Parts: sequence; structure tokens; C-alpha cells
Amino acid sequence: GDSVTQMEGPVTLSEEAFLTINCTYTATGYPSLFWYVQYPGEGLQLLLKATKADDKGSNKGFEATYRKETTSFHLEKGSVQVSDSAVYFCALTSSGYSTLTFGKGTMLLVSP
Amino acid sequence: NAGVTQTPKFQVLKTGQSMTLQCAQDMNHEYMSWYRQDPGMGLRLIHYSVGAGITDQGEVPNGYNVSRSTTEDFPLRLLSAAPSQTSVYFCASSPGTGNGNTIYFGEGSWLTVV
Repeated sequence: GDSVTQMEGPVTLSEEAFLTINCTYTATGYPSLFWYVQYPGEGLQLLLKATKADDKGSNKGFEATYRKETTSFHLEKGSVQVSDSAVYFCALTSSGYSTLTFGKGTMLLVSP
Repeated sequence: NAGVTQTPKFQVLKTGQSMTLQCAQDMNHEYMSWYRQDPGMGLRLIHYSVGAGITDQGEVPNGYNVSRSTTEDFPLRLLSAAPSQTSVYFCASSPGTGNGNTIYFGEGSWLTVV
């Protein structure tokens, strides 16, 4: 079956540091890939997505590139802010039924 | 825009009690689903529906029932609550077929079973 593996957290960074959160996947067919963010006490918000190989999703300074050859979708941001502190989930859909397979989530803590 | 609305936001149940988590969307989406979120486990799919009158099981369906009598509503029923069902529940919806469709989430329902 489909699966998503992302790096364990927490990831602790100082403000303005560079962020990478690794995500790799296994899936049948041609999945679409997503990053969702969950701020403390809130629901999930779509951060960015990519639907085919070599696509780059971007939003709010975050980027991720769909790498089919390495089955990866790593999340990056050049300069993190305290307000980026949250849990980040990598996820995919491949069934066509719009159901997501999630990674376990990575907590990001950014200090001033 | 209301989007995906879940009620209640917080609930405490005693073991063996039943309850229904409500989910409604106002975007005329065909697809709706329920996930549960547990520490260190990410989100796991409980049940999903591809349209009114059609439901199917996800990864962790045991102990939960669903029905889809209208396009807008997709309630999740716990028939006899157990402590293992203590979790945060998220309802989601999506406009249709295709892997690239954005899936929209409600704000979550925090359930504690004592």
C-alpha cells in the first residue's frame, strides 16, 4: 500500500535559519503530493502541492519539488520565522478517491 | 465561506456511551472523509464517501459507522465509545475525482473517552 515517511521531530531552529523537512513516499500509480500545516490547537491547512514529476509547489516562502526519481518531496524555507512554529505533514493521494495517506508529522519549533 | 464545519469541537464521553460527530460542507463537494489524529501516528483514514449513498472503509474503521444521505452531511457515529477512541477527529471534503484536487479540512473535534 501507499506510505509516507518524514523526518522525526521536533526540529528546533533559530529565527532566519534555513529549514528542510525530508519526505519520501511509496505509492502505486502517479500520486499527487501535499504538505499540510497544523498550528497549535487548529485544524489542517494546505501549505502547497504538486501533481506531477518535477513540479514545484510554493506558498508563504515554503517550497517543495516533486522528485519521482528519488520518490521525495522535501519541504524547504530559506528563512524561518517564529510564526512558522507548527506541525508539518507530508501526504499523498493516488487512488483517485481524494483520500490522503499521511506521514506522522514533524514538529517545527522556531525560537527568536 | 463556511467550508467544512465540524461539531462539537470538544466532547468527553464515558466508556460505552454513543455519540455522533457532525460534519457539513457547503461547497457541493462529492468526496468526504473522516480521519483520526493520534500522537506519533499522523492522520489515519476512518471512512470515506464518494457521493450521497456511497461509503467505504478506510484504514481504521472498527468502532465507527457512517452514512451519507445528502451531499452536504457526513456524520461519524461511535456506537459504544472506548478509551482507545480518544483522539482528534477531522472531517474533510474534496470536489471530485483526480489526484490533484485540494482536500479541505474542518477544524477538528477533540474527543476524550473516560
